Amino acid sequence: EVQLLESGGGLVQPGGSLRLSCAASGSTFSSYDMSWARQAPGKGLEWVSAISGSGGSTYYADSVKGRFTISRDNSKNTLYLQMNSLRAEDTAVYYCAKVLLTTWGLDVWGQGTTVTVSS
Amino acid sequence: DIQMTQSPSSVSASVGDRVTITCRASQGINSWLAWYQQKPGKAPKLLIYAASSLHSGVPSRFSGSGSGTDFTLTISSLQPEDFATYYCQQTNSFPLAFGGGTKVEIK
Repeated sequence: EVQLLESGGGLVQPGGSLRLSCAASGSTFSSYDMSWARQAPGKGLEWVSAISGSGGSTYYADSVKGRFTISRDNSKNTLYLQMNSLRAEDTAVYYCAKVLLTTWGLDVWGQGTTVTVSS
Repeated sequence: DIQMTQSPSSVSASVGDRVTITCRASQGINSWLAWYQQKPGKAPKLLIYAASSLHSGVPSRFSGSGSGTDFTLTISSLQPEDFATYYCQQTNSFPLAFGGGTKVEIK
């Protein structure tokens, strides 16, 4: 079974940048779509972004469009989220997740990495 | 964009109770809906996809129904490990969206 491990979270000042990584186990990483979701402290889940298996198609929530970029390196079994122009409201636990078949349901999740945007 | 509204936002129930959670989409999403369970400090777990398909390993006391704009998650006999927060998510079109969550608490 696929396992996902996020890294790259931390404390960053408003307006700053951060890149999150999500390392996947297994040899079929390129065959499935991937997604990022986040959860602000004490709040519900928010979908952030998704990418097709080939990396050729990407999708974003309106709240991050133009500031965040999702990408993947299938040779390294790794998913990325480049976050620029960070705001206080981007403070959250960020989860990467694997997409189930073609349903866009998220069947495998990482443990999450915390991003705090504060001066 | 499609908005997802869950009700109730919280429910108090006892072990053995039947619990029903509702999710409504702001426009039709066919059967493209998923349900998740999340416990404090943990990542969400997929319970149901495509509105009514039980994900592998999920107990059969969980079931989903609905299509179009109105959906339901039912727990037929609540177990101690089911006390958690439940989220729906529309998977019909981008941007994908989660509902606000329903917390199932011990009565």
